[in-house]
Amino acid sequence: GQSLEQPSEVTAVEGAIVQINCTYQTSGFYGLSWYQQHDGGAPTFLSYNALDGLEETGRFSSFLSRSDSYGYLLLQELQMKDSASYFCAVRRRDDKIIFGKGTRLHILP
Amino acid sequence: GAGVSQSPSNKVTEKGKDVELRCDPISGHTALYWYRQRLGQGLEFLIYFQGNSAPDKSGLPSDRFSAERTGESVSTLTIQRTQQEDSAVYLCASSLDWARAKNIQYFGAGTRLSVL
Repeated sequence: GQSLEQPSEVTAVEGAIVQINCTYQTSGFYGLSWYQQHDGGAPTFLSYNALDGLEETGRFSSFLSRSDSYGYLLLQELQMKDSASYFCAVRRRDDKIIFGKGTRLHILP
Repeated sequence: GAGVSQSPSNKVTEKGKDVELRCDPISGHTALYWYRQRLGQGLEFLIYFQGNSAPDKSGLPSDRFSAERTGESVSTLTIQRTQQEDSAVYLCASSLDWARAKNIQYFGAGTRLSVL
């Protein structure tokens, strides 16, 4: 089927680096996006990869490999406020938007 | 307005009643999206508008769901004869233009719908 797979939960330590993976089984999409959602809050845009490779935005980086059907979000210098759910998403060429089920990031002090 | 505004923020209704959810997008944003998010789940894409046109309504869960948009402003999502399975947070988002591949969506805080 057409889906995005993410780990349901990831735990990391404050100040460390964490990688959240997203593997997909969908062909023909424009790019891979990442959104952050705090409990009870609205999703907010973090990053977008149109092409293969790494995109860096401050402490957050995102990577895409179309040949491997794989992407990831990398968070560096973790802060407690980074505790949230993270979603990968694609807009398919048939104009459907697909979100992963999200990865809940727990940060330990 | 400064952001996407949704109303009401919470709605409790009885099974079988109709509900109407409202979304005010960011001024100047031509594209508007509706999603459903069940507790602990991802976002389920329902429908998008480019201007007041919704090219594809196949994402709506059933014929009890409908959506419309006035020009490039307010949109309403209507659920008729609500069922308990409709209980979820309904999120609205807007973006500058649907045609852009890098389609940054700005989300509202959502309407939490509870069907008793």
